[in-house]
Amino acid sequence: DIVMTQSPLSLPVTPGEAATISCNSSQSLLHGTGFSFLHWFQQKPGQSPQLLMYLASNRASGVPDRFSGSGSGTDFTLKISRVEAEDVGLYYCMQGLQTPLTFGPGTRVDIK
Amino acid sequence: QVRLTQSGAEVKRPGASVRVSCKVSGYTVTDSSIHWVRQSPGKGLEWIGGYDPEDRERIYTQKFQDRVILTEDTSTNTAYMELRSLTSEDTAVYYCATDATAPFDHWGQGTLVTVSS
Repeated sequence: DIVMTQSPLSLPVTPGEAATISCNSSQSLLHGTGFSFLHWFQQKPGQSPQLLMYLASNRASGVPDRFSGSGSGTDFTLKISRVEAEDVGLYYCMQGLQTPLTFGPGTRVDIK
Repeated sequence: QVRLTQSGAEVKRPGASVRVSCKVSGYTVTDSSIHWVRQSPGKGLEWIGGYDPEDRERIYTQKFQDRVILTEDTSTNTAYMELRSLTSEDTAVYYCATDATAPFDHWGQGTLVTVSS
């Protein structure tokens, strides 16, 4: 199975500042199409997870442009350019390259 | 508009089975992947399995392979997950999710399954 790791696991942020979350996979997520099958999800308190980014760098529908994703192969990054109070929650990366699909442990973002 | 609506919370005894439903609207249930994911209390997300419409097969995580059955009913446009031989470790919120236009871009509201004697 592909093991996903994230850092940090907890991220206190000040509104208006940038925040960065790293995700690493135990195997390359690069598909023959040239895309890396790495997706990001946001889970706000009491809600279902929501897709933020797919294929490493594509914003899902309705996601604000302060969110961006980058990376390829085994190393990926989610960046929030200017954190807002509504961004509080858990952030998960997930690999979609091979089954079983596996998630990272999650990064908790909260306001300082 | 794609929408996934799950059945209500369940309380089960150890050893029992539970069936969670996920009613799909906005597309035909077998035209797209349906995934099942669970979240144990205070823990992260765990993929249980899913339906692959390209290969028309269901794929399960090995951990659940002997205990879970995923089915789809096209007459009601509903997907089902049945989990057997429940233990307290199966207490979790169970989600269905689909790949409508992007991977896992629509999720159900979640179903809490509590296993307790």
